[in-house]
Amino acid sequence: GAVVSQHPSWVICKSGTSVKIECRSLDFQATTMFWYRQFPKQSLMLMATSNEGSKATYEQGVEKDKFLINHASLTLSTLTVTSAHPEDSSFYICSARERTSGANVLTFGAGSRLTVL
Amino acid sequence: GNSVTQMEGPVTLSEEAFLTINCTYTATGYPSLFWYVQYPGEGLQLLLKATKADDKGSNKGFEATYRKETTSFHLEKGSVQVSDSAVYFCALSGTGGGNKLTFGTGTQLKVEL
Repeated sequence: GAVVSQHPSWVICKSGTSVKIECRSLDFQATTMFWYRQFPKQSLMLMATSNEGSKATYEQGVEKDKFLINHASLTLSTLTVTSAHPEDSSFYICSARERTSGANVLTFGAGSRLTVL
Repeated sequence: GNSVTQMEGPVTLSEEAFLTINCTYTATGYPSLFWYVQYPGEGLQLLLKATKADDKGSNKGFEATYRKETTSFHLEKGSVQVSDSAVYFCALSGTGGGNKLTFGTGTQLKVEL
């Protein structure tokens, strides 16, 4: 079946540095990818919708300049946390909708845990 | 706006016990409802879904019925196994939502021998 890979699965960085997280659809083309953030014991919060070849659509309250999203190809979307601070520490999850799938069928990555010191 | 409320965990059961994980929702229009499961170290996987009132989604022995009158989508399984240990997320996609999912907080299930 469809597989979405996220890399890295976990990362530790110093405050002020930038971190890039990759989301790849391994065996299908994804026109749309979604980025979520999950705090401990809380639900997944949609951060942005990433469409191949166009600018991402951010949810209210999500800083565009802080969380840069690039969906350069049909199999890759990246999330860059710029000038990371400890409050950005979280679990980031992506999902992808297959180009030919019906509505509401998403494949999720295993997530990337970011810890900012 | 849309919201999903599900019971807090962890839920600990013995093998072959009956499982219910409650989920209620708030949404305008006619949302689609989902249960996702996340096994340790893996991504969320779609377990089952229902797209209209009174629909029953089922998969791997799990069932959930879309109850519009009570705005609920409770997950049930008659006899759980150790391999069912995971985190279960209830979610909804609003009318015309274009795949935007609203998730509950997740319920961890632990099944013991």
